Amino acid sequence: NAGVTQTPKFRILKIGQSMTLQCAQDMNHNYMYWYRQDPGMGLKLIYYSVGAGITDKGEVPNGYNVSRSTTEDFPLRLELAAPSQTSVYFCASREAGGQVDEQFFGPGTRLTVL
Amino acid sequence: DAKTTQPNSMESNEEEPVHLPCNHSTISGTDYIHWYRQLPSQGPEYVIHGLTSNVNNRMASLAIAEDRKSSTLILHRATLRDAAVYYCILRDRSGGSNYKLTFGKGTLLTVNP
Repeated sequence: NAGVTQTPKFRILKIGQSMTLQCAQDMNHNYMYWYRQDPGMGLKLIYYSVGAGITDKGEVPNGYNVSRSTTEDFPLRLELAAPSQTSVYFCASREAGGQVDEQFFGPGTRLTVL
Repeated sequence: DAKTTQPNSMESNEEEPVHLPCNHSTISGTDYIHWYRQLPSQGPEYVIHGLTSNVNNRMASLAIAEDRKSSTLILHRATLRDAAVYYCILRDRSGGSNYKLTFGKGTLLTVNP
Protein backbone atom coordinates (compact mmCIF):
# COMPACT_ATOMS: atom_id res chain seq x y z
CA ASN A 1 0.00 0.00 0.00
CA ALA A 2 1.14 3.51 -0.80
CA GLY A 3 -0.85 4.83 2.16
CA VAL A 4 -1.76 8.53 1.90
CA THR A 5 -0.23 10.38 -1.04
CA GLN A 6 -0.24 14.11 -1.70
CA THR A 7 0.62 16.15 -4.75
CA PRO A 8 2.34 18.46 -5.37
CA LYS A 9 5.12 18.45 -2.75
CA PHE A 10 5.84 22.15 -3.22
CA ARG A 11 4.03 25.00 -4.93
CA ILE A 12 4.44 28.76 -5.20
CA LEU A 13 1.32 30.76 -6.05
CA LYS A 14 0.73 34.40 -6.76
CA ILE A 15 -1.97 36.26 -4.85
CA GLY A 16 -5.36 35.60 -6.41
CA GLN A 17 -4.38 32.41 -8.21
CA SER A 18 -6.22 29.17 -7.60
CA MET A 19 -5.05 25.60 -7.21
CA THR A 20 -6.11 22.16 -6.06
CA LEU A 21 -4.09 20.11 -3.61
CA GLN A 22 -4.53 16.44 -4.31
CA CYS A 23 -4.86 13.72 -1.69
CA ALA A 24 -5.42 10.02 -2.25
CA GLN A 25 -5.43 6.96 -0.01
CA ASP A 26 -5.48 3.29 -0.94
CA MET A 27 -6.53 1.87 2.43
CA ASN A 28 -10.29 2.09 1.78
CA HIS A 29 -10.67 4.52 4.69
CA ASN A 30 -13.98 6.31 5.07
CA TYR A 31 -12.66 9.26 7.06
CA MET A 32 -10.36 11.82 5.46
CA TYR A 33 -9.02 15.13 6.78
CA TRP A 34 -7.20 18.23 5.66
CA TYR A 35 -4.95 20.10 8.10
CA ARG A 36 -2.68 23.09 7.78
CA GLN A 37 0.43 23.73 9.83
CA ASP A 38 1.93 27.18 10.15
CA PRO A 39 5.58 27.55 11.23
CA GLY A 40 6.19 26.50 14.84
CA MET A 41 2.55 25.64 15.38
CA GLY A 42 0.43 22.53 15.67
CA LEU A 43 -1.92 21.33 12.96
CA LYS A 44 -5.32 22.94 12.46
CA LEU A 45 -8.23 21.10 10.87
CA ILE A 46 -9.58 22.71 7.67
CA TYR A 47 -12.18 20.23 6.42
CA TYR A 48 -13.00 16.59 6.92
CA SER A 49 -15.13 13.92 5.30
CA VAL A 50 -16.79 10.84 6.77
CA GLY A 51 -17.42 9.23 3.40
CA ALA A 52 -17.98 9.86 -0.29
CA GLY A 53 -20.36 12.76 -0.80
CA ILE A 54 -20.14 13.97 2.82
CA THR A 55 -17.90 16.82 3.95
CA ASP A 56 -17.88 19.20 6.89
CA LYS A 57 -15.96 22.24 8.09
CA GLY A 58 -13.18 22.08 10.60
CA GLU A 59 -11.59 24.83 12.64
CA VAL A 60 -10.24 27.02 9.78
CA PRO A 61 -12.32 26.45 6.60
CA ASN A 62 -12.42 30.01 5.20
CA GLY A 63 -10.76 30.33 1.80
CA TYR A 64 -10.94 26.61 1.05
CA ASN A 65 -13.33 24.16 -0.55
CA VAL A 66 -13.40 20.38 -0.68
CA SER A 67 -15.23 17.61 -2.47
CA ARG A 68 -15.35 13.85 -1.96
CA SER A 69 -16.68 12.04 -4.99
CA THR A 70 -14.84 8.78 -4.29
CA THR A 71 -13.60 6.97 -1.20
CA GLU A 72 -10.01 7.28 -2.38
CA ASP A 73 -9.70 11.00 -3.20
CA PHE A 74 -10.19 14.16 -1.17
CA PRO A 75 -8.95 17.26 -3.04
CA LEU A 76 -8.61 20.67 -1.36
CA ARG A 77 -9.32 23.73 -3.49
CA LEU A 78 -7.95 27.24 -2.94
CA GLU A 79 -9.92 29.68 -5.08
CA LEU A 80 -8.21 33.03 -4.45
CA ALA A 81 -4.84 32.46 -2.86
CA ALA A 82 -3.79 34.88 -0.13
CA PRO A 83 -0.45 35.22 1.73
CA SER A 84 -2.20 34.01 4.90
CA GLN A 85 -2.60 30.62 3.21
CA THR A 86 1.14 30.11 3.10
CA SER A 87 1.50 26.92 5.10
CA VAL A 88 2.19 23.20 4.97
CA TYR A 89 -0.92 21.18 4.20
CA PHE A 90 -1.39 17.63 5.44
CA CYS A 91 -4.01 15.15 4.40
CA ALA A 92 -4.93 12.23 6.65
CA SER A 93 -7.26 9.26 6.68
CA ARG A 94 -8.57 6.65 9.10
CA GLU A 95 -10.92 3.75 8.96
CA ALA A 96 -14.41 4.07 10.42
CA GLY A 97 -14.96 2.31 13.71
CA GLY A 98 -12.94 -0.79 14.38
CA GLN A 99 -10.14 -1.24 16.87
CA VAL A 100 -7.54 0.81 14.98
CA ASP A 101 -7.80 4.33 16.38
CA GLU A 102 -5.17 5.97 14.24
CA GLN A 103 -5.01 8.69 11.61
CA PHE A 104 -2.54 8.11 8.79
CA PHE A 105 -0.91 11.25 7.43
CA GLY A 106 0.51 12.08 4.04
CA PRO A 107 3.92 13.73 3.52
CA GLY A 108 2.47 17.22 3.11
CA THR A 109 2.34 19.97 0.49
CA ARG A 110 4.37 23.11 1.18
CA LEU A 111 2.52 26.11 -0.28
CA THR A 112 3.87 29.64 -0.56
CA VAL A 113 1.66 32.52 -1.68
CA LEU A 114 3.51 35.63 -2.81
CA ASP B 1 -12.60 20.37 23.98
CA ALA B 2 -10.46 19.49 26.94
CA LYS B 3 -6.95 20.87 26.56
CA THR B 4 -3.50 19.48 27.20
CA THR B 5 -0.36 21.14 28.54
CA GLN B 6 3.10 19.97 27.52
CA PRO B 7 6.59 21.39 28.00
CA ASN B 8 7.80 23.26 24.94
CA SER B 9 11.01 21.26 24.72
CA MET B 10 12.99 18.45 26.32
CA GLU B 11 16.42 17.02 25.82
CA SER B 12 17.69 13.48 26.16
CA ASN B 13 20.79 11.43 25.50
CA GLU B 14 20.86 8.55 23.07
CA GLU B 15 20.00 5.14 24.54
CA GLU B 16 18.57 6.66 27.71
CA PRO B 17 14.87 6.55 28.66
CA VAL B 18 12.73 9.60 28.00
CA HIS B 19 9.62 10.57 29.93
CA LEU B 20 7.42 13.10 28.14
CA PRO B 21 4.73 14.56 30.43
CA CYS B 22 1.27 15.81 29.57
CA ASN B 23 -1.26 17.48 31.84
CA HIS B 24 -4.96 17.27 31.03
CA SER B 25 -6.76 18.31 34.19
CA THR B 26 -10.14 18.87 32.45
CA ILE B 27 -10.25 15.45 30.80
CA SER B 28 -13.70 13.91 30.56
CA GLY B 29 -14.69 10.29 30.99
CA THR B 30 -15.09 9.79 27.24
CA ASP B 31 -11.70 11.23 26.26
CA TYR B 32 -8.99 8.94 24.99
CA ILE B 33 -5.39 10.09 25.37
CA HIS B 34 -3.51 9.96 22.08
CA TRP B 35 0.14 10.59 21.31
CA TYR B 36 1.42 11.44 17.87
CA ARG B 37 4.87 12.53 16.82
CA GLN B 38 6.13 14.53 13.89
CA LEU B 39 9.61 13.91 12.57
CA PRO B 40 11.30 16.83 10.78
CA SER B 41 9.68 17.65 7.43
CA GLN B 42 7.17 14.80 7.72
CA GLY B 43 3.52 14.37 8.58
CA PRO B 44 2.55 13.28 12.07
CA GLU B 45 2.54 9.60 12.91
CA TYR B 46 0.58 7.74 15.54
CA VAL B 47 2.52 6.57 18.58
CA ILE B 48 0.09 5.19 21.13
CA HIS B 49 -3.24 5.81 22.83
CA GLY B 50 -5.06 4.76 25.97
CA LEU B 51 -8.07 5.38 28.17
CA THR B 52 -7.38 4.35 31.76
CA SER B 53 -4.81 1.58 31.90
CA ASN B 54 -1.15 1.82 31.01
CA VAL B 55 -0.42 0.74 27.45
CA ASN B 56 2.63 -0.66 25.71
CA ASN B 57 3.45 -1.11 22.05
CA ARG B 58 6.57 -1.52 19.97
CA MET B 59 7.23 2.21 19.90
CA ALA B 60 6.54 3.37 23.44
CA SER B 61 4.66 3.02 26.70
CA LEU B 62 1.89 5.24 27.99
CA ALA B 63 1.51 5.69 31.72
CA ILE B 64 -1.81 7.21 32.77
CA ALA B 65 -2.34 8.67 36.24
CA GLU B 66 -5.04 7.09 38.35
CA ASP B 67 -7.16 10.27 38.25
CA ARG B 68 -6.42 10.58 34.48
CA LYS B 69 -5.43 14.21 34.86
CA SER B 70 -1.95 13.55 33.53
CA SER B 71 -0.08 11.03 31.45
CA THR B 72 3.49 10.26 30.46
CA LEU B 73 4.83 8.93 27.20
CA ILE B 74 7.85 6.74 27.81
CA LEU B 75 10.48 6.01 25.20
CA HIS B 76 12.55 3.25 26.75
CA ARG B 77 15.76 3.84 24.83
CA ALA B 78 15.89 7.04 22.84
CA THR B 79 17.56 6.95 19.45
CA LEU B 80 18.50 9.83 17.17
CA ARG B 81 15.48 8.90 15.06
CA ASP B 82 13.20 9.71 17.99
CA ALA B 83 14.02 13.43 17.72
CA ALA B 84 10.64 14.92 16.86
CA VAL B 85 7.73 17.01 18.12
CA TYR B 86 5.49 14.91 20.34
CA TYR B 87 1.81 15.80 20.60
CA CYS B 88 -0.47 14.76 23.43
CA ILE B 89 -4.09 14.92 22.24
CA LEU B 90 -7.41 14.19 23.89
CA ARG B 91 -9.91 12.63 21.55
CA ASP B 92 -13.58 12.40 22.47
CA ARG B 93 -14.92 8.94 21.74
CA SER B 94 -18.54 9.92 22.30
CA GLY B 95 -20.86 10.09 19.32
CA GLY B 96 -20.53 12.93 16.87
CA SER B 97 -16.84 13.73 17.31
CA ASN B 98 -15.95 12.20 13.95
CA TYR B 99 -12.55 11.28 15.32
CA LYS B 100 -11.17 14.78 14.96
CA LEU B 101 -7.79 15.52 16.49
CA THR B 102 -6.86 18.92 17.95
CA PHE B 103 -3.11 19.48 17.89
CA GLY B 104 -1.35 21.84 20.27
CA LYS B 105 2.28 22.93 19.88
CA GLY B 106 3.63 19.72 21.40
CA THR B 107 7.04 19.02 22.94
CA LEU B 108 10.16 19.25 20.83
CA LEU B 109 12.41 16.37 21.83
CA THR B 110 16.11 16.70 21.10
CA VAL B 111 18.23 13.55 21.36
CA ASN B 112 21.96 14.04 21.87
CA PRO B 113 24.42 11.44 20.54
